[in-house]
Amino acid sequence: DVKVTQSSRYLVKRTGEKVFLECVQDMDHENMFWYRQDPGLGLRLIYFSYDVKMKEKGDIPEGYSVSREKKERFSLILESASTNQTSMYLCASRGLTGEQYFGPGTRLTVT
Amino acid sequence: RKEVEQDPGPFNVPEGATVAFNCTYSNSASQSFFWYRQDCRKEPKLLMSVYSSGNEDGRFTAQLNRASQYISLLIRDSKLSDSATYLCVVTFNNAGNMLTFGGGTRLMVKP
Repeated sequence: DVKVTQSSRYLVKRTGEKVFLECVQDMDHENMFWYRQDPGLGLRLIYFSYDVKMKEKGDIPEGYSVSREKKERFSLILESASTNQTSMYLCASRGLTGEQYFGPGTRLTVT
Repeated sequence: RKEVEQDPGPFNVPEGATVAFNCTYSNSASQSFFWYRQDCRKEPKLLMSVYSSGNEDGRFTAQLNRASQYISLLIRDSKLSDSATYLCVVTFNNAGNMLTFGGGTRLMVKP
């Protein structure tokens, strides 16, 4: 079974803090993704990576950056957290036939 | 117009009922199609891929109609445990890297 893990299930941060969300997959997948999910807005793609050190912006990259130093690990960084970044953050990796496998999610609250 | 549209529901059905969801997509160049299931406050999980010829997995049947640009999911003999949100997912770009999610259809199966 594909395993995608995320560093935290719940996180509370203050406005202006730098926040790191980490994601690890164990299936040697090349493509990894970060989404946020908000009520009424569904899943929105923030960034994705198709190889080590490679990254592409998704639909809503503003206020975020990413890092992919190793194939199995994809990090999402909130440079200066704001209250409108309170959300559920989901990491995913892509299998051979295009399907994506999600981690359990990190529920981030910014106060 | 959204790229992937679903009726948000909720669909309230009794146990044992048959229920069907449709999903329409706007891009005729869409490549791959999936149904995901998402339980409350959990991550989306792949339910099934949707193939051009249609496919079945136990009580679940998925169909693709490229001419009319929609996919469907049929659930027979509904169980209480089928209660969840069902997400229609489509890939648009040639590499199949990026998924576009519908807003989801909520199903509630009642005793």
